[in-house]
Amino acid sequence: GENVEQHPSTLSVQEGDSAVIKCTYSDSASNYFPWYKQELGKRPQLIIDIRSNVGEKKDQRIAVTLNKTAKHFSLHITETQPEDSAVYFCAASIGYGQNFVFGPGTRLSVLP
Amino acid sequence: DADVTQTPRNRITKTGKRIMLECSQTKGHDRMYWYRQDPGLGLRLIYYSFDVKDINKGEISDGYSVSRQAQAKFSLSLESAIPNQTALYFCATSETGRGVNQPQHFGDGTRLSIL
Repeated sequence: GENVEQHPSTLSVQEGDSAVIKCTYSDSASNYFPWYKQELGKRPQLIIDIRSNVGEKKDQRIAVTLNKTAKHFSLHITETQPEDSAVYFCAASIGYGQNFVFGPGTRLSVLP
Repeated sequence: DADVTQTPRNRITKTGKRIMLECSQTKGHDRMYWYRQDPGLGLRLIYYSFDVKDINKGEISDGYSVSRQAQAKFSLSLESAIPNQTALYFCATSETGRGVNQPQHFGDGTRLSIL
């Protein structure tokens, strides 16, 4: 079955710097890759997603890149701000279905 | 705003007790899911339902059961709770994809502690 690895598990950056979180997946049939942000004590919220027919997608300070050949995808946050501090989860669809396998999460801390 | 609502938000109970966690949604989505979140393990799928008459086991269904009472309601039961079921539980919904994956939308979670 699908397996999703995520690195690093924790990441600290200075405010204004960039942050990159990387995920790898195992199922070549996976075709949808959402990213979720979970602030402390709150629900996971979708922040960006990418489908397998594109290699990159950007939304303001957040971007996601996908390398289907290598089976990895990455979240890039530029000009980080303290409110970006949260746990970020990547996910990969299971084949062509509606279920996902989630990565274990990355705790991002943006230091003032 | 359309939302996913979980009750209760917190629950402390004893080993061996039967517990039901409830989820309701006003998003009009057909698909509903129950996840369990443990530190360092991400979100793991317990059960999912693609419509009222459809129930499927997820990755970690042992010790759990579900009921889809209506399109908008999906409940999770622990028949005889044990301490290692202490976790944060999330309900989620998604639209029917019609061949295209759709994102999942989560409730606020239920923090369950079993003593």
